[in-house]
Amino acid sequence: AQSVTQLGSHVSVSEGALVLLRCNYSSSVPPYLFWYVQYPNQGLQLLLKYTSAATLVKGINGFEAEFKKSETSFHLTKPSAHMSDAAEYFCAVSDGGFGNEKLTFGTGTRLTIIP
Amino acid sequence: DAMVIQNPRYQVTQFGKPVTLSCSQTLNHNVMYWYQQKSSQAPKLLFHYYDKDFNNEADTPDNFQSRRPNTSFCFLDIRSPGLGDAAMYLCATSRDALWQGDTDTQYFGPGTRLTVL
Repeated sequence: AQSVTQLGSHVSVSEGALVLLRCNYSSSVPPYLFWYVQYPNQGLQLLLKYTSAATLVKGINGFEAEFKKSETSFHLTKPSAHMSDAAEYFCAVSDGGFGNEKLTFGTGTRLTIIP
Repeated sequence: DAMVIQNPRYQVTQFGKPVTLSCSQTLNHNVMYWYQQKSSQAPKLLFHYYDKDFNNEADTPDNFQSRRPNTSFCFLDIRSPGLGDAAMYLCATSRDALWQGDTDTQYFGPGTRLTVL
């Protein structure tokens, strides 16, 4: 069974500071990994995904994530936080098997940006 | 723009009164999903359709049903809503692993927030 752990249910950073949201995964097969962002009363929007190509993945809105197999991690970063980054962030894993595209989500991290 | 649409965005129903939530997509994806998301929690998969094949999660209550009359539309029926069913309901779509490129990415609609009085 696959699982995702997001360390820190709430993270606060100052505007302009580095954003680091942590995600560790467990999977018995090479995983597909995703970061989604959710704004209040909205659906989930894909930020980026890892599908066994480059280990450093660049996404939208200046976010990127690095797949580290040795650490089973897929942490999300952004060099400089913007007020518009305030949202809930979910890490998710899929084993990508044919006919089995189910995602397993982490419990989410709420990012607050301090002016 | 191709997208996933959910109607209505906000739905209020009474305890025990059946309610139907709607999802449509213009992405021509063959897989459609329904998730339940309660406040401050991760989305929880209720079921999904792989083409016309219905796949129910083991812990999804019988109170929740789904219909997919064609590729574009999928409905979530809650037969007798209880107070505990108040949540955001998210619809998502994806293409299966036979397609190259955008494999396994799920695209989400904006959600329907259900209130049960």
